[in-house]
Amino acid sequence: DAKTTQPNSMESNEEEPVHLPCNHSTISGTDYIHWYRQLPSQGPEYVIHGLTSNVNNRMASLAIAEDRKSSTLILHRATLRDAAVYYCIRYDGSSNTGKLIFGQGTTLQVKP
Amino acid sequence: NAGVTQTPKFRILKIGQSMTLQCAQDMNHNYMYWYRQDPGMGLKLIYYSVGAGITDKGEVPNGYNVSRSTTEDFPLRLELAAPSQTSVYFCASSYLPLAGTYEQYFGPGTRLTVT
Repeated sequence: DAKTTQPNSMESNEEEPVHLPCNHSTISGTDYIHWYRQLPSQGPEYVIHGLTSNVNNRMASLAIAEDRKSSTLILHRATLRDAAVYYCIRYDGSSNTGKLIFGQGTTLQVKP
Repeated sequence: NAGVTQTPKFRILKIGQSMTLQCAQDMNHNYMYWYRQDPGMGLKLIYYSVGAGITDKGEVPNGYNVSRSTTEDFPLRLELAAPSQTSVYFCASSYLPLAGTYEQYFGPGTRLTVT
């Protein structure tokens, strides 16, 4: 049970911002929100994660709703290389196993 | 650093054959994981290990075995291959899963076909 809900697919134009939504309405207090992406024919790669506050790194920004029941991954200027499957994952911060539960993710298509 | 490496990249097996998928990491990570990914689906955890000599089942362990004799290596064994095991297999590793900094590093995958 992935416990997150994402749209199956989204489209974007190159060099425009992209907002990828994720619903996690049953999130618990120790759950972090992690995002990974999987480029075609590659293994997943870490993108960003957060608990309560909005987070920024060189790849993306993560906006977490005040009630923590949803979040949005923001790619500020999409490039063709950003075409991938994006996975939103609830990670139990109290876990000592590090297990990640992947859902089906959102397939992002970037048009030139 | 090579990161997480997997061999072979591709393999075709006949039903009933056995094989071992190799995974190695050079980042001195204690934690290692095996996932499978069926077409159009997300990854499912097969087995994981929190250190040398310690392994545990994930979501879909049936038909597979693992061992962890060293920190670096985490091989996955298929004893009697079945068509249902046709999939792409990913190995991953990580440091201690501290909540504030946790990140898994994935290998490039092994594409396995059982016919």
